Amino acid sequence: DGGITQSPKYLFRKEGQNVTLSCEQNLNHDAMYWYRQDPGQGLRLIYYSQIVNDFQKGDIAEGYSVSREKKESFPLTVTSAQKNPTAFYLCASSTGTGDYEQYFGPGTRLTVT
Amino acid sequence: AQKITQTQPGMFVQEKEAVTLDCTYDTSDQSYGLFWYKQPSSGEMIFLIYQGSYDEQNATEGRYSLNFQKARKSANLVISASQLGDSAMYFCAMREGSNDYKLSFGAGTTVTVRA
Repeated sequence: DGGITQSPKYLFRKEGQNVTLSCEQNLNHDAMYWYRQDPGQGLRLIYYSQIVNDFQKGDIAEGYSVSREKKESFPLTVTSAQKNPTAFYLCASSTGTGDYEQYFGPGTRLTVT
Repeated sequence: AQKITQTQPGMFVQEKEAVTLDCTYDTSDQSYGLFWYKQPSSGEMIFLIYQGSYDEQNATEGRYSLNFQKARKSANLVISASQLGDSAMYFCAMREGSNDYKLSFGAGTTVTVRA
């Protein structure tokens, strides 16, 4: 089945450690995105990529890094520089043409203590 | 400034009744798109409906319809014949311009359907 996978669903880390969240899609989509969601709030864009080997900062990129070496994969690294990393992280993808509807993965809930 | 405003943090609706979720947006672009997503307690975002700025007809998808009032910059979602499974958080989002793919999301509205 086509879709977006994110692993793991729950992730626990100690403060000061970098952690990488996985996002893979088999929809043959050009564009991919990372969002952060805090409790009771909307989604905020961290980074996005419209094509392989290219990506742009979103609204809250500080303390995060990404890579886009393959069309299918867009991993997000939460670095120790991110002051409040505990959140729900959602990955999405879209065709980049037409109406640009974004398809979302199931999310990763990161807890840093 | 907020690009998407959802003023209703939470709403209750009786099963089988209709409910309207408010969304207003702010953009100076002539070309833009408006989306509604549903987020159940599992966390995954589910696309519901889309309205383009040049679309003259209001979008409909099954029990979902979008009341698009361009002059007022509003894009309200109407859910007809509510079901218990409609209980979730609902987000309005906007894509600005015709070449940019990213979305701006509102804060969301929680809908609880009562039996």
